[in-house]
Amino acid sequence: QKEVEQNSGPLSVPEGAIASLNCTYSDRGSQSFFWYRQYSGKSPELIMFIYSNGDKEDGRFTAQLNKASQYVSLLIRDSQPSDSATYLCAGETSGSRLTFGEGTQLTVNP
Amino acid sequence: GAVVSQHPSWVICKSGTSVKIECRSLDFQATTMFWYRQFPKQSLMLMATSNEGSKATYEQGVEKDKFLINHASLTLSTLTVTSAHPEDSSFYICSAREGQVNYGYTFGSGTRLTVV
Repeated sequence: QKEVEQNSGPLSVPEGAIASLNCTYSDRGSQSFFWYRQYSGKSPELIMFIYSNGDKEDGRFTAQLNKASQYVSLLIRDSQPSDSATYLCAGETSGSRLTFGEGTQLTVNP
Repeated sequence: GAVVSQHPSWVICKSGTSVKIECRSLDFQATTMFWYRQFPKQSLMLMATSNEGSKATYEQGVEKDKFLINHASLTLSTLTVTSAHPEDSSFYICSAREGQVNYGYTFGSGTRLTVV
């Protein structure tokens, strides 16, 4: 079982819609979770991180963490074509190690 | 916010030669930096954790003699790919973290290595 798994893509949504990205993790010792956006040929950009159960909102982005279910999600409201990218979920374990999921490719259609 | 500078952005080298990649934290001190490798259409794989003033910690399966890491100061870590071969061609990315829990990890811009 992979330590961090993301829902299989690619995901395609129309402009203005809500994009929902999901991630599960196997290591209950994981403390914090990060969502990164990566454009083709570029390095990852941090969108947000979460370490407490519940929701965390930042602009059009909302991260959700459920430690009991070992589940992390990212919602993107009012999706824009510029949001089209690969989204990477990462869990932080002891020693400040980040383990990444395979990524979900999102396409927002105008 | 925290900025991590990585150079070069891309490099092409001949098989058997060595390549050095630099990673600098520009506006903060990073006692720990991380080196990742990413193959096309795949996710990031942690190669090693670079610790200032001490030996790097390598992930299982990563050859420490091939991927030399030096973290001589609080703002600079280097990765040297020795005796590079075509299978080493990849996207190498470093990252660092400013502060502790309340900050995310910042990534450098990455280095595209092509070994011919």
